[in-house]
Amino acid sequence: DAGITQSPRHKVTETGTPVTLRCHQTENHRYMYWYRQDPGHGLRLIHYSYGVKDTDKGEVSDGYSVSRSKTEDFLLTLESATSSQTSVYFCAISEFTGELFFGEGSRLTVL
Amino acid sequence: EDKVVQSPLSLVVHEGDTVTLNCSYEVTNFRSLLWYKQEKKAPTFLFMLTSSGIEKKSGRLSSILDKKELFSILNITATQTGDSAVYLCAVLYGGSQGNLIFGKGTKLSVKP
Repeated sequence: DAGITQSPRHKVTETGTPVTLRCHQTENHRYMYWYRQDPGHGLRLIHYSYGVKDTDKGEVSDGYSVSRSKTEDFLLTLESATSSQTSVYFCAISEFTGELFFGEGSRLTVL
Repeated sequence: EDKVVQSPLSLVVHEGDTVTLNCSYEVTNFRSLLWYKQEKKAPTFLFMLTSSGIEKKSGRLSSILDKKELFSILNITATQTGDSAVYLCAVLYGGSQGNLIFGKGTKLSVKP
């Protein structure tokens, strides 16, 4: 299995609070991604990174920011969480675009 | 609008049956199509298809791509209860590092 660790795996927070999810890889893969998965919507790309300090927006980036200061770490931040951001968040990595390896997911509940 | 559509959305079969899952797409500058299997947790990679008409096979699973008609099928023969999962289709398209768009998935339930 690809070495991807997401933390925290579960989090419950209140509307308006900041939240940061962390993705850590030990594979030295170039590309890192954050997806959210919701019933009826499938997996949707939030942000991705193609190198240290190189990031770009995905399909559903509003309300989220990311940072990648090291190859191995990709952080997803919700500056002010809303109930619509309740979801399961998956980090993924790849060396060649397309063939993604996913982390175990982080379940976020915003009350 | 770029999109990937999977059908059926859900399917219930009995062990030993053969199933066919469908994925159609409309994207600009298609590059490849991928299939993933998702059980309780993270999706796991099954196949990547780039060329039309060339079947990819892994055990009881196989997949083929038709770039003219813009679809792919995933076949599972002699299904087992362990095949129960959501099967995701994704399409890589666009330039540079590309964009990956997922379908909503097909939920397969295999009954003993």
